[in-house]
Amino acid sequence: ETGVTQTPRHLVMGMTNKKSLKCEQHLGHNAMYWYKQSAKKPLELMFVYNFKEQTENNSVPSRFSPECPNSSHLFLHLHTLQPEDSALYLCASSQPGTRYGYTFGSGTRLTVV
Amino acid sequence: QKEVEQDPGPLSVPEGAIVSLNCTYSNSAFQYFMWYRQYSRKGPELLMYTYSSGNKEDGRFTAQVDKSSKYISLFIRDSQPSDSATYLCAMTAYSGGGADGLTFGKGTHLIIQP
Repeated sequence: ETGVTQTPRHLVMGMTNKKSLKCEQHLGHNAMYWYKQSAKKPLELMFVYNFKEQTENNSVPSRFSPECPNSSHLFLHLHTLQPEDSALYLCASSQPGTRYGYTFGSGTRLTVV
Repeated sequence: QKEVEQDPGPLSVPEGAIVSLNCTYSNSAFQYFMWYRQYSRKGPELLMYTYSSGNKEDGRFTAQVDKSSKYISLFIRDSQPSDSATYLCAMTAYSGGGADGLTFGKGTHLIIQP
């Protein structure tokens, strides 16, 4: 596989559930990102990891917990979410120090009921 | 004032027309500018990447950046129905060497009518 792969593609969860989103990149990049895309709003940066270290947490509620075990994998652990957290969650990767932009996965469509 | 302003549309044009999409921004530190195309149920796909002011052409696509006006544009020539998508502008100050998140516009929904 090439590019950035996200699983699952769709997820429906109750407000008391715990679930995890997974992202894997096969591009040899060292930076990975989580973005949230809601209807009629710009993509919102949530977390940034550079060489497995979290370098940015954009005031995200603690019910979202990221994990980056290595430069190729990124997880977003979810617990006690709210209906307003329903959105498309996008993972992206890039190579720091280059000018080649970011590569996005296809996203996980999350619905909180 | 929002950091990046982009008209969400929809913008509907006939096939073959020249399409003009644009964004304005307020942060003068931005110096790297990107355009992404996003089809329904897909992630954004990088179309154009420009640094500072000037023009960049790639096939039917031309990106323009005017930093003095804080205004960027994407032109699509000979538009095709397959160009129907949402177009997102994005930008970053990008210090180089680090990992910088992008600041996005809301996206413009473009419809090319056959």
